[in-house]
Amino acid sequence: GAVVSQHPSWVICKSGTSVKIECRSLDFQATTMFWYRQFPKQSLMLMATSNEGSKATYEQGVEKDKFLINHASLTLSTLTVTSAHPEDSSFYICSAEGGNTDTQYFGPGTRLTVL
Amino acid sequence: KQEVTQIPAALSVPEGENLVLNCSFTDSAIYNLQWFRQDPGKGLTSLLLIQSSQREQTSGRLNASLDKSSGRSTLYIAASQPGDSATYLCAAPSGAGSYQLTFGKGTKLSVIP
Repeated sequence: GAVVSQHPSWVICKSGTSVKIECRSLDFQATTMFWYRQFPKQSLMLMATSNEGSKATYEQGVEKDKFLINHASLTLSTLTVTSAHPEDSSFYICSAEGGNTDTQYFGPGTRLTVL
Repeated sequence: KQEVTQIPAALSVPEGENLVLNCSFTDSAIYNLQWFRQDPGKGLTSLLLIQSSQREQTSGRLNASLDKSSGRSTLYIAASQPGDSATYLCAAPSGAGSYQLTFGKGTKLSVIP
């Protein structure tokens, strides 16, 4: 079946630095990818929808200049957390939607800890 | 390795019926379980989050239960409406102490007017 990978699986960084998280669809082309985050004991929340070759659509309350999303190819989307702060510490997960179906396949997630 | 299974894969019911969606997981050392709704072409919408210390959660016409000992969760939808038509996903932590999620493949619900 379709596989989505994320890298890294976890990352620890210092406050003020930028962190890039990659989401790859390994065996299918993903025209649409979604980015989510989950704070401890809270539900998974959609951050943005990313379509290949166009600008991402951000959900209300998500700062597009802080969370940069690039979907330059049909198999790769990246989320860059710029000038990360401790409050950005969270679990980030991506999903990818196959071109011919509306099924989403989820990556395993990335745990970000900002010190 | 956590495995999450959802049954049935698809379900079609007439409007007004009550229905139950099932989710089972193999690793019961979880700290929570989540139910989501997915509409075609859109991101997930979080429906209910059940902590491991809870047995059920309710939101409107939705009720989710969690039985860790048997590795099962159910999502009960009362008085179904055509607007409930969507794919429903459950997700559990990938293992004891894991923050990664394992998703079921979902149940595609169609509510017929």
